[in-house]
Order: sequence, then C-alpha cells, then structure tokens
Amino acid sequence: GAVVSQHPSRVICKSGTSVKIECRSLDFQATTMFWYRQFPKQSLMLMATSNEGSKATYEQGVEKDKFLINHASLTLSTLTVTSAHPEDSSFYICSARDPDRGGYGYTFGSGTRLTVV
Amino acid sequence: DAKTTQPNSMESNEEEPVHLPCNHSTISGTDYIHWYRQLPSQGPEYVIHGLTSNVNNRMASLAIAEDRKSSTLILHRATLRDAAVYYCVNSGGSNYKLTFGKGTLLTVNP
Repeated sequence: GAVVSQHPSRVICKSGTSVKIECRSLDFQATTMFWYRQFPKQSLMLMATSNEGSKATYEQGVEKDKFLINHASLTLSTLTVTSAHPEDSSFYICSARDPDRGGYGYTFGSGTRLTVV
Repeated sequence: DAKTTQPNSMESNEEEPVHLPCNHSTISGTDYIHWYRQLPSQGPEYVIHGLTSNVNNRMASLAIAEDRKSSTLILHRATLRDAAVYYCVNSGGSNYKLTFGKGTLLTVNP
C-alpha cells in the first residue's frame, strides 16, 4: 500500500509554545488527509479533515484556532498545535485514503508523540 | 457515523485461527467495513476492508453477514506478531471518514 510519512515522531515543547507536525503522502497525491488524536489506553479520535486548497473541516468540540491545519499541496498537510498546554500532550496521527486499495482503504502515519512540559 | 461494537479483549494460542467479531447494526448501504490493527506507540496498520462480499488477502479474511450488520475478521494462523488492538471501523459520508470504536485487544499465547 501507499505510505504516509509523519514527522517528527516525538516532540517535547514548553507550555505556551507552538508545535508543527507534518504529514506527507509519498508517491501519491492526497487531496484529503485526516488528523487523529489518541490519549493513553484510548481509541483514536478524529480531529479534522484536511482538504487541499481549502479550509479544514473540524469535528465537534475541536478548537480550530488551537489546532491549525494547512494543506497547501497535494502531498503535505500540517497540524500546528498553538499555545500548547500539558493537556494537549497526546499521540497525533494522520492518515490518507490509499489509492492502492481503490481509495477506500486508509494508510496511516506512524504518529507523533507530543509532550508539553 | 455508524458505530461498531467489539469485545474488549480476546485471547488466542499461536498457530490457531482467530475470529474477531464486530457488530455494526447502524451501518448504511454505502458504508465500507474496515479492519485496522495498532501496536503501542504506532499508527494503525491496514488489515482488510470490504463492502458486501467476503474478502481475502495475505493477512486475513473478512466475513460479512448477509444483512451487513456484523462482520468477522479471521486470522487463519495467529502468530505472536498478530498481538495488537484490532479496530473494526465503518466509513461513510462524503469524505468516507473513519470513526474508531474501542477495539479488541488480542493477546496471542505462545
């Protein structure tokens, strides 16, 4: 299947600073990417749908001013956690529809462990 | 979004078949049924997906009930590397987004 590369794999930042996470589709174009957050021992929670060339669609309860999503090209989506606080510490994962699986299967990045101190 | 229900945990022995059940009674006619698995501190890994017919691939088989309200993921011979959390997910809506449930923690005993 197709590969989604996520960077960095882990990051530690100070409270009040911003952190950017990158999600790249390798060897395929992704007009739509999805961002998830996962707390320890819990399932993945969809945060937002990233759309190339247009605004992201956020799930209910997700602060769009805090979690800025930019999808400026067909192979790159970024999630910026602004003014991070300890409660934002989590595992962030991106995904895209896999063209090798007819576009209906999904491929996921390896995740980014964010720790806010 | 269609919701799925899975057992919290299951146990299997190495080299034996494993049948992981999933109920999705509110699935709509155009929703796909997906299975993914996740190891700790890793992103989910695609296992299999289908719409109406049973599906086979090198990793597993997916058996879909005729009314599509349930499905079963079949691992034909479990190995220790198959130990993971398995998520049964339905996709729907204009973006076919996935909404994950709690998943089943599969333990494989040597």
